[in-house]
Formats: sequence, C-alpha cells, structure tokens
Amino acid sequence: GAGVSQTPSNKVTEKGKYVELRCDPISGHTALYWYRQSLGQGPEFLIYFQGTGAADDSGLPNDRFFAVRPEGSVSTLKIQRTERGDSAMYLCASSLIQGENTEAFFGQGTRLTVV
Amino acid sequence: LAKTTQPISMDSYEGQEVNITCSHNNIATNDYITWYQQFPSQGPRFIIQGYKTKVTNEVASLFIPADRKSSTLSLPRVSLSDTAVYYCLPQGAGSYQLTFGKGTKLSVIP
Repeated sequence: GAGVSQTPSNKVTEKGKYVELRCDPISGHTALYWYRQSLGQGPEFLIYFQGTGAADDSGLPNDRFFAVRPEGSVSTLKIQRTERGDSAMYLCASSLIQGENTEAFFGQGTRLTVV
Repeated sequence: LAKTTQPISMDSYEGQEVNITCSHNNIATNDYITWYQQFPSQGPRFIIQGYKTKVTNEVASLFIPADRKSSTLSLPRVSLSDTAVYYCLPQGAGSYQLTFGKGTKLSVIP
C-alpha cells in the first residue's frame, strides 16, 4: 500500500491476555519504529528496527513487551499478560534512514484497551 | 536530548495566520528542528524541518533565529481542518529516535 498500515485499528482485550499488533511499513523503508501514546501525551518511543534486527529497544517498558521483524518488512508488537495500564494508542512508523532529513511516516495506530 | 517548551493550546479564527513558537534552549549543534502535526485518532504527520533561518513549503513556514534557541511554525490562513496538535522536535541529523513533548493543541474556530 501507499502508507504504513496497522492492524487491527482497535483491540479490546481482558487483563492478563496476550495480544499482537501488526505493522506493514512502506515498501522499501528499512527503518521501522513503534511508539505508544497515552491520552493527552505525545508519542513515546518503544523500539527501533533497522532491517530485521532491533537496533534499539530501550523504550520497551518491561519484559512483557516484545517486537519482531523477521523478514525486514512486517513487524509485530507482542504484549504478554496485558495490564490495564497498557491501554493506549500504539503507533508504528517507517522511514528511509539515510541522509539528513529523516522523515518518519506513521500509521493510523492501533488503539488497545485492556479491561 | 534538548528539552522543548511549547504553549499547551492556542485558538485561532479561520483565515488568520497562526504562529506557534517552540523553545529549545539547549539544542545540539547538529540538531535539526522538525515539526509534526497530529489529527485526532491518527498518527503524526511530518510538516516541515529546518536548521536555521527560514524554510517554506506548501503547508507552512519555519523561522529559526541565529541562536537557534527557539523556532516558530507559521501556518498561513488557517482553516478548520488545521485543528490538530503540533509537535516541535529537535532531531539529530540521521537520527532515528523522535522525542515528542505534549505539543500545542491548535483549535481553529469558524
């Protein structure tokens, strides 16, 4: 597709359950990012992939959060044993990392609600 | 990382020019200033980026004074569809991580 695609757009899950959020980046973009945004706040960095490897996962809040990008394209953010505090908008972005003007293209996000 | 300060909110009437100023007193020498726009229930969208002086594109202008301790995003003749949150971010050349603050919520009034 033309832009970054995230599925599902909305996800409601029960506390303690496992969830997977999917991101399809723009074709050809080697860099992929996950951000989390709570109501009234700006997006917060979670993890960055350059190709297949996680170059920086310093933003993941704890070991319940994990992300993969096995073929250097689609990425999945996985959350185990969800908690109500995990409720937020999860945003994925991709970019061409080369050069000075690194514009990130964001998807529409997945709104996760843990009940 | 350079800390930024922006007004929390601004109101403007349709057709007016809106200027949103961002303070970034400790910006690094190699940081660019990037502005993103975010509509409700959507991801942020890149608007404009600059290093110093003035940059203009089809959407906005960005003014950065010589000391680079602040920058001003200028939106000419705003319409209702410009209602959004606007974020100012210092960004190192080639860096990957974007650090968003709370942004400025612009409300355009008919």
